[in-house]
Amino acid sequence: DAGVTQTPRHEVAEKGQTIILKCEPVSGHNDLFWYRQTKIQGLELLSYFRSKSLMEDGGAFKDRFKAEMLNSSFSTLKIQPTEPKDSAVYLCASSTGTSGNTLYFGEGSRLIVV
Amino acid sequence: AQKVTQTQTSISVMEKTTVTMDCVYETQDSSYFLFWYKQTASGEIVFLIRQDSYKKENATVGHYSLNFQKPKSSIGLIITATQIEDSAVYFCAMRTMGYKLTFGTGTSLLVDP
Repeated sequence: DAGVTQTPRHEVAEKGQTIILKCEPVSGHNDLFWYRQTKIQGLELLSYFRSKSLMEDGGAFKDRFKAEMLNSSFSTLKIQPTEPKDSAVYLCASSTGTSGNTLYFGEGSRLIVV
Repeated sequence: AQKVTQTQTSISVMEKTTVTMDCVYETQDSSYFLFWYKQTASGEIVFLIRQDSYKKENATVGHYSLNFQKPKSSIGLIITATQIEDSAVYFCAMRTMGYKLTFGTGTSLLVDP
């Protein structure tokens, strides 16, 4: 079975650009998460979808971050406009719709904003 | 609000020894799930082991086991007979019946030969 697929793996953007990161969850998984990882803040939840419905939009990340689940097998995270402080690894994860089930993570998209 | 705390920033051990990593959590929910994940040098995050709050027995998978102390809201990870390839960052996480997974800040483990 294919795992979680994220593209692009690496992205360099200029300040003010719009960036779209993509994620394909494990087939059949109902839950999809976007996390941001930095050395200082660790793993921060950006968005959480259950069966394509947005359950959590990450509070502090509402301003310039927008995640969408276009269908059950594809999600995007748009950052608009990008700022240098957005430089981080963006991780997508999916799981079945049971709280006890584990998350499967993608390899992440490393974003550098200059 | 949910919170997960890992106070150990880094640990260094000799190969083939046993190491324990600490984790404490906070939640108002009566039912929850606790996880440990490992992040390798390549950045890959993989699931290791899980403890259900309603289970009294400590979970064990391979050379990973848990020390679940519910009254103390503590879930320690024990790795026995450590190997070089166990060197990684280990994250404790909690998922309540709601949904989201809350992570601790991670503990970096270095296993020396």
